[in-house]
Amino acid sequence: LAKTTQPISMDSYEGQEVNITCSHNNIATNDYITWYQQFPSQGPRFIIQGYKTKVTNEVASLFIPADRKSSTLSLPRVSLSDTAVYYCLVGDMEYGNKLVFGAGTILRVKS
Amino acid sequence: GAGVSQSPRYKVAKRGQDVALRCDPISGHVSLFWYQQALGQGPEFLTYFQNEAQLDKSGLPSDRFFAERPEGSVSTLKIQRTQQEDSAVYLCASSLGYRATRLTDTQYFGPGTRLTVL
Repeated sequence: LAKTTQPISMDSYEGQEVNITCSHNNIATNDYITWYQQFPSQGPRFIIQGYKTKVTNEVASLFIPADRKSSTLSLPRVSLSDTAVYYCLVGDMEYGNKLVFGAGTILRVKS
Repeated sequence: GAGVSQSPRYKVAKRGQDVALRCDPISGHVSLFWYQQALGQGPEFLTYFQNEAQLDKSGLPSDRFFAERPEGSVSTLKIQRTQQEDSAVYLCASSLGYRATRLTDTQYFGPGTRLTVL
């Protein structure tokens, strides 16, 4: 499974757009890119998943360049409740969906 | 129920005691996973079930760790002779989880059991 690198922490203010970039230089052809969010004392929660180009859902967008060696999670107009740890995961989702988490990015949203 | 539930939410054990942690997955979910999350770290995979079959236990740290899912629904993670390094949050996740598909197969996590070994 490909190793991922993401910033340890980021700070933002309410109403701003936040972009968290993840590097995955060794991504394989079959690998999908998935992002999870985790609040204190809770399990991780699925945010978004993509394979290439751009994916958008009701909470976020995921931008993936053509070489797929990185990806960017975009959170529009963050609020205080978006303060959490965000994990980028890369793996072949056919193989039993075993997830390999990194250390994650701590996002702090300030008022 | 609406989501994955785990019990107990908190467990304190003396070193050397055995503990059993329970996971109730979402009804109908085929796949079930256990993860261990140390303080300040991301979750680490322990083991994976598809129905009652344990297909991957490569993440179990030692033979003191044992997991079962005898009827393909509820699962129990048992830790024998607990050590201080076992202190962590143990997360359970479930998914619809058929290997045959490439489609998104979201894992739904429970709130975890925080184990403290004194």
